[in-house]
Amino acid sequence: EPEVTQTPSHQVTQMGQEVILRCVPISNHLYFYWYRQILGQKVEFLVSFYNNEISEKSEIFDDQFSVERPDGSNFTLKIRSTKLEDSAMYFCASSETVNQPQHFGDGTRLSIL
Amino acid sequence: EDQVTQSPEALRLQEGESSSLNCSYTVSGLRGLFWYRQDPGKGPEFLFTLYSAGEEKEKERLKATLTKKESFLHITAPKPEDSATYLCAVTNFGNEKLTFGTGTRLTIIP
Repeated sequence: EPEVTQTPSHQVTQMGQEVILRCVPISNHLYFYWYRQILGQKVEFLVSFYNNEISEKSEIFDDQFSVERPDGSNFTLKIRSTKLEDSAMYFCASSETVNQPQHFGDGTRLSIL
Repeated sequence: EDQVTQSPEALRLQEGESSSLNCSYTVSGLRGLFWYRQDPGKGPEFLFTLYSAGEEKEKERLKATLTKKESFLHITAPKPEDSATYLCAVTNFGNEKLTFGTGTRLTIIP
């Protein structure tokens, strides 16, 4: 069964450094998303991406964050200057259309020191 | 703002003991209600989508139902492998994002 894959599974970074999280969505899906889950808290929406542009973003997704689809298969989340509070599990998801279920990867655990 | 509340926070059942998990929601115009299962250290795994009140979906020992204010996930004769956190999420017609509840951590004791 097709699945969303994310790399790396765990990323440790010094505060202030840039980090790029990578995702390969399911191949025939058109909508892409990033969510995060701080330990012990609920899953929170960050951004959605369709037709090579951001279609929606949350208040969390400030100027430090950016997303890109550099080629036909990858979808990336970049955090420009990481903060301690960016430590969380980051999930990528994709869906065929806006009303179809979103399928999630297993996440990247980001630890900021 | 959309809100999702799940109860109970945690539930321990004996193997074979049936029960229900609740998800109540407030949303401006419900596009869909989604149930996911999440195992420790993993991403949410899609289970069901419900689109309108009265709709029901079933998969093995799980059955999801929907009313205008809440959804239930019924688990019948659970097995230890059903132990996980069950997440409820909604989308509305104004946007694409999933709004999640905090989940119910289900433990099935052999």
